[in-house]
Amino acid sequence: ETGVTQTPRHLVMGMTNKKSLKCEQHLGHNAMYWYKQSAKKPLELMFVYSLEERVENNSVPSRFSPECPNSSHLFLHLHTLQPEDSALYLCASSQDWGQPQHFGDGTRLSIL
Amino acid sequence: RKEVEQDPGPFNVPEGATVAFNCTYSNSASQSFFWYRQDCRKEPKLLMSVYSSGNEDGRFTAQLNRASQYISLLIRDSKLSDSATYLCVVVTTSGTYKYIFGTGTRLKVLA
Repeated sequence: ETGVTQTPRHLVMGMTNKKSLKCEQHLGHNAMYWYKQSAKKPLELMFVYSLEERVENNSVPSRFSPECPNSSHLFLHLHTLQPEDSALYLCASSQDWGQPQHFGDGTRLSIL
Repeated sequence: RKEVEQDPGPFNVPEGATVAFNCTYSNSASQSFFWYRQDCRKEPKLLMSVYSSGNEDGRFTAQLNRASQYISLLIRDSKLSDSATYLCVVVTTSGTYKYIFGTGTRLKVLA
């Protein structure tokens, strides 16, 4: 399924690096989301954008910085991450906020 | 009490069996409900929405019980390819939309 694409698929970085995760949706949806999935834990919603405006920030540390330049693209900028930030980061989109979500393949992030 | 609870399983069932999962939620104001399946090391994929009157999609039936605050998923005639983790999602609106995922129920269909 190519509705929501995420790059890179895998990322290994040191704690002092700066990197960005990219998400693109081709579904014409108005809402986009970032989630974190750690082992044995439910998906944690990080950020929500609706019509390019951030509408939700679930107490995410400032070392994660989202950016939504338009309704099709979403970025997650990373800097000074900690080992506990190693996880699968999933991007999703939905027609509107509150509708069923469609997920990208995710970026598996490892912090050394 | 967790906002959304699921039995983690695993449920090990033979091919052809019928299996049912429940998911309970704590917020009576919850408005939308979904079932997703997630294969190992893959992204969650929408299986079906859950409607108040119950709904069916092939071998899959979803039910909502608002009085007891749970949703259920029934899988009939299980296939090997049904082996996955099934996540329930509850959407609550109280000013803002809140998507709450359960931890998932793992299903293994055995040959």
